[in-house]
Amino acid sequence: EDQVTQSPEALRLQEGESSSLNCSYTVSGLRGLFWYRQDPGKGPEFLFTLYSAGEEKEKERLKATLTKKESFLHITAPKPEDSATYLCAVQGIYAGGTSYGKLTFGQGTILTVHP
Amino acid sequence: DTAVSQTPKYLVTQMGNDKSIKCEQNLGHDTMYWYKQDSKKFLKIMFSYNNKELIINETVPNRFSPKSPDKAHLNLHINSLELGDSAVYFCASSPRFRGRTGELFFGEGSRLTVL
Repeated sequence: EDQVTQSPEALRLQEGESSSLNCSYTVSGLRGLFWYRQDPGKGPEFLFTLYSAGEEKEKERLKATLTKKESFLHITAPKPEDSATYLCAVQGIYAGGTSYGKLTFGQGTILTVHP
Repeated sequence: DTAVSQTPKYLVTQMGNDKSIKCEQNLGHDTMYWYKQDSKKFLKIMFSYNNKELIINETVPNRFSPKSPDKAHLNLHINSLELGDSAVYFCASSPRFRGRTGELFFGEGSRLTVL
């Protein structure tokens, strides 16, 4: 069974204080690892897909990296508007090609950035 | 223009009642999903439909019955509601192109409270 564990559960930063969120995963075969952002009362919003170890993706102050066992979401010089819950998810490779959108999510990291 | 819209946003009901949630997407995606987010914020897939055909059913009690009248709509009907059904239910859709099936577009969620 696929598993995703995120740490820390909550992270409080001052504006401009860079840090990283961790996502550890186990999956029989990785089709993709995904990062989502979720604001209170909203649905998750897609950020990145990473397909293979060594891959990196960037978007504004966010950079996602991938190894064979974990992914990091680096936040550089965060701003208060980056405050949200960040969710990591994996999509495995299953027999029969039925892995359409079947993501296993972690419990998320609640990020709070203070001005 | 809302990409994935679901109604109602809130449902409060008594144990034993039946309720429905409706979902519509205007993204032209072939694949739609129902995910459940429990009180600990874990998101878990319930069902997936590809072009009106059920392709994933994740050991969900048969009190839950999804229906897809066309590829832009996916509804969820729940019979004989139980306390443990209280959660936020998210509808989502994704492109079916290889490598992008994990890029889910979520609705804003329907918060179900069973009293």
